[in-house]
Amino acid sequence: SQKIEQNSEALNIQEGKTATLTCNYTNYSPAYLQWYRQDPGRGPVFLLLIRENEKEKRKERLKVTFDTTLKQSLFHITASQPADSATYLCALDGTSGTYKYIFGTGTRLKVLA
Amino acid sequence: KAGVTQTPRYLIKTRGQQVTLSCSPISGHRSVSWYQQTPGQGLQFLFEYFSETQRNKGNFPGRFSGRQFSNSRSEMNVSTLELGDSALYLCASSGTGFSYEQYFGPGTRLTVT
Repeated sequence: SQKIEQNSEALNIQEGKTATLTCNYTNYSPAYLQWYRQDPGRGPVFLLLIRENEKEKRKERLKVTFDTTLKQSLFHITASQPADSATYLCALDGTSGTYKYIFGTGTRLKVLA
Repeated sequence: KAGVTQTPRYLIKTRGQQVTLSCSPISGHRSVSWYQQTPGQGLQFLFEYFSETQRNKGNFPGRFSGRQFSNSRSEMNVSTLELGDSALYLCASSGTGFSYEQYFGPGTRLTVT
């Protein structure tokens, strides 16, 4: 069956360190993958999009990699800050023809001061 | 540009009733998607509309329906409400391309008693 898994429900790291979040998928062949941030009680906010032919994408302190062979995306936040604490969701386009976007369950990141 | 707006923000309904939620996309966006978010299932795709046509549909029962108007505003309707329909309903708009990022509204918190 098609599945998207994000590593651990919660991730605690010390301020200033690099946070690395993982998104693994099975039985999909997405053309692109996106990362969103969601704060409690709010809608997700788009962060980055990476296409299948791109290995890496950067935006300020954020970096995303996309390995279609491993069926995995890594999301990095460098020099993390307490304000980065949130839930991070990965999403990919479902190629089954029925769905548009399939979201992972998210990883709750807490950056400790 | 104004963001995606959703009304109402909070709603309490009784089992068996029906409900209509509204979404106004970002100006110029023609694609509107709807999602249901619950703690157990995460973000699940309901359906997507583009130029008044439903292009994609998720795996939800027929009690969930939607429509889009000529000004791109969208509504979703849930008939014969069940307790399990209690969730945060999120609307997202995106540009004309399939691969564009999505901009989410704040959501409508529906509680079914």
